[in-house]
Amino acid sequence: GESVGLHLPTLSVQEGDNSIINCAYSNSASDYFIWYKQESGKGPQFIIDIRSNMDKRQGQRVTVLLNKTVKHLSLQIAATQPGDSAVYFCAENIDTGGFKTIFGAGTRLFVKA
Amino acid sequence: DGGITQSPKYLFRKEGQNVTLSCEQNLNHDAMYWYRQDPGQGLRLIYYSQIVNDFQKGDIAEGYSVSREKKESFPLTVTSAQKNPTAFYLCASSIPGIRSEAFFGQGTRLTVV
Repeated sequence: GESVGLHLPTLSVQEGDNSIINCAYSNSASDYFIWYKQESGKGPQFIIDIRSNMDKRQGQRVTVLLNKTVKHLSLQIAATQPGDSAVYFCAENIDTGGFKTIFGAGTRLFVKA
Repeated sequence: DGGITQSPKYLFRKEGQNVTLSCEQNLNHDAMYWYRQDPGQGLRLIYYSQIVNDFQKGDIAEGYSVSREKKESFPLTVTSAQKNPTAFYLCASSIPGIRSEAFFGQGTRLTVV
C-alpha cells in the first residue's frame, strides 16, 4: 500500500556536524514532498518542500534531495545545533480526487553538545 | 496573530463516552485535517475537509466523526466505537492544492481512563 517510510528511527549527531535524514516513499504519483519538524509536545512545522520536477532544493542550513529513480528523499542539516533536536517527518502530497498528505514514521534527531 | 488553535491540550475520557476535540483557525484556509499520532509512528489521516459543509474520510475514520459548519472550525468527535482512542490528535489547515504545506495546531492528548 501507500507509505512513506524512514530508514532510521533515531539519529545522534555531534553539535556542529552535518545531519542526514533519509526517507523512502512508494507512491510514484507523488508530486510534492515536504519535510516537517516536530518538537516535543507540539505540532509539526514546515521546514522545506520540493516538487517532483526538481532533484535538489536549498534553504537556510537545510537541503532536500529527491531521487525519483529509487524513490528516495533526504534532508540535510548543516552545522547541526541543539535546537535542531526534534522528530523529522517526510511527507508526500497526492491527489486522490481530494488532496491527501501521507506522513512517514519519523526520525528522532539527538544533538550532542 | 493568525494561527490554528486546538483545545483542550489534555483530555481524559471514560470508556464508553464520546468526546469532542476543538480546532479553530483564523488563517482563512479552506482545507482542514485531523491526524492521529501514536508513539513511534507517523501521522495518520482521520478526516479532511476541502470546503465548508463537505468532508471526506481519511485512512482511519472508523470510530470518529466530524462536522464543518464554519470555515474556521473543524471539531472532531471520538466516539465510543473507537476501540483504542488514547493518542495525540493533531489538527491542521492549508490552502487547498497539491503544492500546499499544512499548518498544525499544538495538539490534544487524549487518554482513556
